[in-house]
Amino acid sequence: GNSVTQMEGPVTLSEEAFLTINCTYTATGYPSLFWYVQYPGEGLQLLLKATKADDKGSNKGFEATYRKETTSFHLEKGSVQVSDSAVYFCALSEVGGSNYKLTFGKGTLLTVNP
Amino acid sequence: KAGVTQTPRYLIKTRGQQVTLSCSPISGHRSVSWYQQTPGQGLQFLFEYFSETQRNKGNFPGRFSGRQFSNSRSEMNVSTLELGDSALYLCASTNSRNTDTQYFGPGTRLTVL
Repeated sequence: GNSVTQMEGPVTLSEEAFLTINCTYTATGYPSLFWYVQYPGEGLQLLLKATKADDKGSNKGFEATYRKETTSFHLEKGSVQVSDSAVYFCALSEVGGSNYKLTFGKGTLLTVNP
Repeated sequence: KAGVTQTPRYLIKTRGQQVTLSCSPISGHRSVSWYQQTPGQGLQFLFEYFSETQRNKGNFPGRFSGRQFSNSRSEMNVSTLELGDSALYLCASTNSRNTDTQYFGPGTRLTVL
């Protein structure tokens, strides 16, 4: 079946540091890929998405590129802020066009210190 | 436009009891999905409803059930609660015209004692 593997962390950075959170996936076909963020005590918010190979999703300074050849979708941000502290989830949609079921990675806790 | 709402936000039950959680999707969204989030298993898909019909189901025992009403509101029910059912239950809705984006509610935190 489909699966998502991401670095579990925790990741601790200083403000303005560079962030990379690795995510690789296993799926048949061509799933859509997502990054969701969960702030303490809240539900999940969609951060960015990419629907086909070589697409780059971006939002709020975060970026991720859909790499079919390496089955990866790594999240990056050039300069993190304290407000970016949260748990980040990589996810993929079911193959075959049905995007109603998401398969998630385990999540990566990011803490940014001032 | 209001987001996905879930009630109640917190719930404490004892083993053997049953519980019903409610989810109101974003207005106009007809698909509602449910997920269970635990520290050990992470986020796991429970089921998905569209137009009052269950279209997808995850790998959970029959104690977990759900339904959707004609106004797209959805409920999930867990019978004969076990300690391991303690989790954050998240509901998400999807716009049928933009099917690749799920919008999540804040979740219901269920604690089973």
